[in-house]
Amino acid sequence: GESVGLHLPTLSVQEGDNSIINCAYSNSASDYFIWYKQESGKGPQFIIDIRSNMDKRQGQRVTVLLNKTVKHLSLQIAATQPGDSAVYFCAEKRCGGANSKLTFGKGITLSVRP
Amino acid sequence: DSGVTQTPKHLITATGQRVTLRCSPRSGDLSVYWYQQSLDQGLQFLIQYYNGEERAKGNILERFSAQQFPDLHSELNLSSLELGDSALYFCASSEAGVSYNEQFFGPGTRLTVL
Repeated sequence: GESVGLHLPTLSVQEGDNSIINCAYSNSASDYFIWYKQESGKGPQFIIDIRSNMDKRQGQRVTVLLNKTVKHLSLQIAATQPGDSAVYFCAEKRCGGANSKLTFGKGITLSVRP
Repeated sequence: DSGVTQTPKHLITATGQRVTLRCSPRSGDLSVYWYQQSLDQGLQFLIQYYNGEERAKGNILERFSAQQFPDLHSELNLSSLELGDSALYFCASSEAGVSYNEQFFGPGTRLTVL
């Protein structure tokens, strides 16, 4: 069956460094890949998405890279800040009718050291 | 603040009982999604409603049901509760577009079954 999983459960980075969070997926039919961030005590929050026919997309301080050959997705955060400390989820979506079902990975904790 | 509200924030009940979780989507959003988040299963999609109609089903147990009302608020009903149903339940909403990937999550309801 389809699955979206994250390589590592935790990631610790120094404030100001760049962070790279990786994700593997198995469903080649996914149309979109999305990153969400969940801060403690809150619901997940959309960060950025990428269509399956793209290999890179940039946002504000974040970049998502998609490598379809090895079914790998990554989120790069530039100049990591304490406010970036959260659990990050990758998710995938297949478009079909009005079905917007997201399949989430397990989540990886990003901890920013001051 | 995502604009999605959920009540109650916390719910403690006993096995065998029935509870109702309530969600009000963002103003103008027609789609409502329910997710269950537990430590061992991560974030699991349960069900989606679009403008009052069920649109997609995920890993939702037969003991669980949901509905979306004409004013677009939604309720998730959990019955014959078991210890394993203890989890965070999130509601999310989004605009109607099929290709729209940003779902806005509420703060969640933490359900504890004793």
